[in-house]
Amino acid sequence: GQQVMQIPQYQHVQEGEDFTTYCNSSTTLSNIQWYKQRPGGHPVFLIQLVKSGEVKKQKRLTFQFGEAKKNSSLHITATQTTDVGTYFCARQGGKLIFGQGTELSVKP
Amino acid sequence: EPEVTQTPSHQVTQMGQEVILRCVPISNHLYFYWYRQILGQKVEFLVSFYNNEISEKSEIFDDQFSVERPDGSNFTLKIRSTKLEDSAMYFCASKNEGGSGNTIYFGEGSWLTVV
Repeated sequence: GQQVMQIPQYQHVQEGEDFTTYCNSSTTLSNIQWYKQRPGGHPVFLIQLVKSGEVKKQKRLTFQFGEAKKNSSLHITATQTTDVGTYFCARQGGKLIFGQGTELSVKP
Repeated sequence: EPEVTQTPSHQVTQMGQEVILRCVPISNHLYFYWYRQILGQKVEFLVSFYNNEISEKSEIFDDQFSVERPDGSNFTLKIRSTKLEDSAMYFCASKNEGGSGNTIYFGEGSWLTVV
């Protein structure tokens, strides 16, 4: 249906290592959004991808939208302790349907 | 930067009691939402509201829930008879245009504990 599946559920990395979270849908997505939620905080919008094969970068964060518009990924290069939090993908068609999120912990 | 504000930040209530969570969306926004997040789980859509009426609601949003925009600024979520499983963080959100073209901004949430 409208669900988006996200893996992994948890990721523990050493500071400086890379991190990737993946989002998949069984149906074609008109767009995919990514949010970050710090521990105890609220979801904060990071980016929206709309075009097939789109790649966007925000400093150390790279967002990709698959060619078939059924999957997306967020990659963080050289993680820092400030990257700690849960990263959610979400599809938007009016309302947001969130994936389960990937909780990232970074060991200094 | 404009923001969505929510009150209270935390409320503890007895099972069966009524609770009202309040939100002030961003002033020029037209679409309003309530989401909830049970501890450790994903954010779940409850209801969307536009033009003074519910535009969409989820299966979670049953008869014990209601929303209201009593004036030009507030947007409230009422839970009539709270249950233990209603314990969660409730997020209000808003955006200024329809469809998928605009960012949804979230408030900092109201943490509801039902005992």
